[in-house]
Amino acid sequence: NAGVTQTPKFRVLKTGQSMTLLCAQDMNHEYMYWYRQDPGMGLRLIHYSVGEGTTAKGEVPDGYNVSRLKKQNFLLGLESAAPSQTSVYFCASRTLEESGYNSPLHFGNGTRLTVT
Amino acid sequence: GENVEQHPSTLSVQEGDSAVIKCTYSDSASNYFPWYKQELGKRPQLIIDIRSNVGEKKDQRIAVTLNKTAKHFSLHITETQPEDSAVYFCAASMSGTYKYIFGTGTRLKVLA
Repeated sequence: NAGVTQTPKFRVLKTGQSMTLLCAQDMNHEYMYWYRQDPGMGLRLIHYSVGEGTTAKGEVPDGYNVSRLKKQNFLLGLESAAPSQTSVYFCASRTLEESGYNSPLHFGNGTRLTVT
Repeated sequence: GENVEQHPSTLSVQEGDSAVIKCTYSDSASNYFPWYKQELGKRPQLIIDIRSNVGEKKDQRIAVTLNKTAKHFSLHITETQPEDSAVYFCAASMSGTYKYIFGTGTRLKVLA
């Protein structure tokens, strides 16, 4: 099992450019999440998905779009990158509840994005 | 809104000493509390978690305690080692929802 795999690992964009970050998991997890991590601000939820074909907004969704056409993949898109989107992006996944409690998140290795 | 406060933001201890990190949550419906360790440049990784039906859980040098009445939970690391140096995040989650509310992290430095 590879777990949660993110591509690319690093990317530099110019303001206004677009890109897509790919997250793939091989654990048959239902839930998938995209977070951004900035110094001193912890992990902030951008978008999430509770199953194939569904997506929803998180805490900081502006400037991002997502798609989950296949259960194992969750894509994060930036249509017109801005310097404020410079961050480290983490994808995470988890299974359904276990015995009435949420299950732990499994994180990918992250994508370090710089927008100049 | 829901939030999790985590303290301290930085913590330095001598090797062999104990370290304690505390988190307070706001939503009394939260019932699952994981702790993640993130080494520099790496992914957050689960180190221990606790459900609301127990008050304490231990795994070797790591323990977590939960006080539901006060709505706080703590991570305890005993006999700290240099490899314990990392950023630690707490989180609170409630069943039936997608939500994981993370604390802002504690940077632990273990001094040799």
